Amino acid sequence: AQTVTQSQPEMSVQEAETVTLSCTYDTSESDYYLFWYKQPPSRQMILVIRQEAYKQQNATENRFSVNFQKAAKSFSLKISDSQLGDAAMYFCAYNQGGSEKLVFGKGTKLTVNP
Amino acid sequence: AAGVIQSPRHLIKEKRETATLKCYPIPRHDTVYWYQQGPGQDPQFLISFYEKMQSDKGSIPDRFSAQQFSDYHSELNMSSLELGDSALYFCASSLKGGNYGYTFGSGTRLTVV
Repeated sequence: AQTVTQSQPEMSVQEAETVTLSCTYDTSESDYYLFWYKQPPSRQMILVIRQEAYKQQNATENRFSVNFQKAAKSFSLKISDSQLGDAAMYFCAYNQGGSEKLVFGKGTKLTVNP
Repeated sequence: AAGVIQSPRHLIKEKRETATLKCYPIPRHDTVYWYQQGPGQDPQFLISFYEKMQSDKGSIPDRFSAQQFSDYHSELNMSSLELGDSALYFCASSLKGGNYGYTFGSGTRLTVV
């Protein structure tokens, strides 16, 4: 079974600084998708960024980018110019191609200090 | 833009009672998913429906059942509620396969007392 590991239960960053959240996963499949979801105190799960495993280019969405290392099965999220509104729980998630369910990591709680 | 609508937002039930949660997916999304998130936990997959048929099943207790109706809305029915069922229940929708990521609803907070 696929597993997703987030080794940092909590992280903090100063406003306007950059922070990187770690995620590793375990799979024997070649066709899969990786996601980062944000869950603020409002509890809504919001899709931040998506990466297709067959694409070598790292995905980028404005201030959010990933470092996808397929051989190492690593998928870290970099948040640049951190803002107070970035404070949330961040979940890394895996989806196997052809499957429907997402497998989530345990999450990293990000605090942004003014 | 229309989002995934869940109702109710909050629900308080007593042990052994029954609860019904509703989910209205984004128009044209053909797949609906249900997840359970316990306090301080990551979301756990319960069940999914594609075109009104159950398509995948996770760690859903036998006391729970779900279905998707002709208008694509879905309901999660939970019977003989236990204290451990207290959690946030998310519904999400997507186009088939979920490869593009889901859109989640705001969740239903179920408290069993």
